[in-house]
Amino acid sequence: GENVGLHLPTLSVQEGDNSIINCAYSNSASDYFIWYKQESGKGPQFIIDIRSNMDKRQGQRVTVLLNKTVKHLSLQIAATQPGDSAVYFCAENSNFNKFYFGSGTKLNVKP
Amino acid sequence: GAVVSQHPSRVICKSGTSVKIECRSLDFQATTMFWYRQFPKQSLMLMATSNEGSKATYEQGVEKDKFLINHASLTLSTLTVTSAHPEDSSFYICSATGTPSSPLHFGNGTRLTVT
Repeated sequence: GENVGLHLPTLSVQEGDNSIINCAYSNSASDYFIWYKQESGKGPQFIIDIRSNMDKRQGQRVTVLLNKTVKHLSLQIAATQPGDSAVYFCAENSNFNKFYFGSGTKLNVKP
Repeated sequence: GAVVSQHPSRVICKSGTSVKIECRSLDFQATTMFWYRQFPKQSLMLMATSNEGSKATYEQGVEKDKFLINHASLTLSTLTVTSAHPEDSSFYICSATGTPSSPLHFGNGTRLTVT
């Protein structure tokens, strides 16, 4: 599979602060990227996506940035809430419409 | 919209038996379904891709005779773990998409425990 993300860091933030979660991908041909949130024992939940013809996309409280030059994605969560605590994965859509996942980041939000 | 239902949510089976997991798209036609496996504290690993009416495409290292995938209709795909062994114990998650390069919608996974 594709090499998306090499480690599983844990990010701890205070409630109300902004969070930034990073992801590296390796396939320069990937043209579509998605951020997912996964709570314990559940399937991943779609957060936001971005195509390679864009470098920024905003949703409700979330922003995704794409830097194709260095093959890097980030997810910014504004005013982080306890309900945001989960593991976050980036996924890239590579050849043949397959999605490969990064190793994930665990977000802990302290009340 | 875009709901994917997976069943069962948990299953415990004895070594050597086979287990079937169902994945249904409830409100859209899933032209492509993907099966992932996830071990504790790890990421989702793509096992195979299936398109309705055709044979599944397996990722390198995934045994197609052990993990049988059937995608007989636009709303149903099944994964059968044949002759299960304890090392097959894992969290299996299906996902579906209606059109290429559109978000994957995931089921809630099946926790398989092989004793």
